[in-house]
Amino acid sequence: NAGVTQTPKFQVLKTGQSMTLQCAQDMNHNSMYWYRQDPGMGLRLIYYSASEGTTDKGEVPNGYNVSRLNKREFSLRLESAAPSQTSVYFCASFDRPDDEQYFGPGTRLTVT
Amino acid sequence: AQKITQTQPGMFVQEKEAVTLDCTYDTSDQSYGLFWYKQPSSGEMIFLIYQGSYDEQNATEGRYSLNFQKARKSANLVISASQLGDSAMYFCAMREGQGGKLIFGQGTELSVKP
Repeated sequence: NAGVTQTPKFQVLKTGQSMTLQCAQDMNHNSMYWYRQDPGMGLRLIYYSASEGTTDKGEVPNGYNVSRLNKREFSLRLESAAPSQTSVYFCASFDRPDDEQYFGPGTRLTVT
Repeated sequence: AQKITQTQPGMFVQEKEAVTLDCTYDTSDQSYGLFWYKQPSSGEMIFLIYQGSYDEQNATEGRYSLNFQKARKSANLVISASQLGDSAMYFCAMREGQGGKLIFGQGTELSVKP
């Protein structure tokens, strides 16, 4: 069981470039999430998908788009990267409301 | 709207002593869940403990216990017999309802002194 996997682990972008962060889980979970973590800010929810075919905005959705490609995969796209999007991005999934949320290892993104 | 507050940015504790990390929450839902996660310097998120809003007993997992005071809307984490490996960031989080989003507090950085 790989759990939640994220690619890439590290990425450097120039302002205005675009990229897609990939996330996949092999636990057959319905719900998947994207968070960003900035120093001193904790984890903030960007977008989530409660089930295949649905997506909803979280606390900080501006500048991002998501795609729930199938039950396993949930991608996060930055269309035009900005320095304010420099952060560590975590993908997570869970199944039952009383169950823990399983996190991926994170993607460290720097936008110059 | 749901909200999680951790008022202690940093805490120090002597090895082998107990420490309490504070967490208060705000929600209008009757059904919710409270979680604590640990994030060591390596960056991964490690699940520690869960408390459901209808659970009558405080949750315990090894050296971790959750002091749940529903009327005060607090869900403090108690770590007994602190170890050097407990030095990390600790996050409190809350999920509303059955499929609600999980929202995190700002975190508390715990340092265990030998």
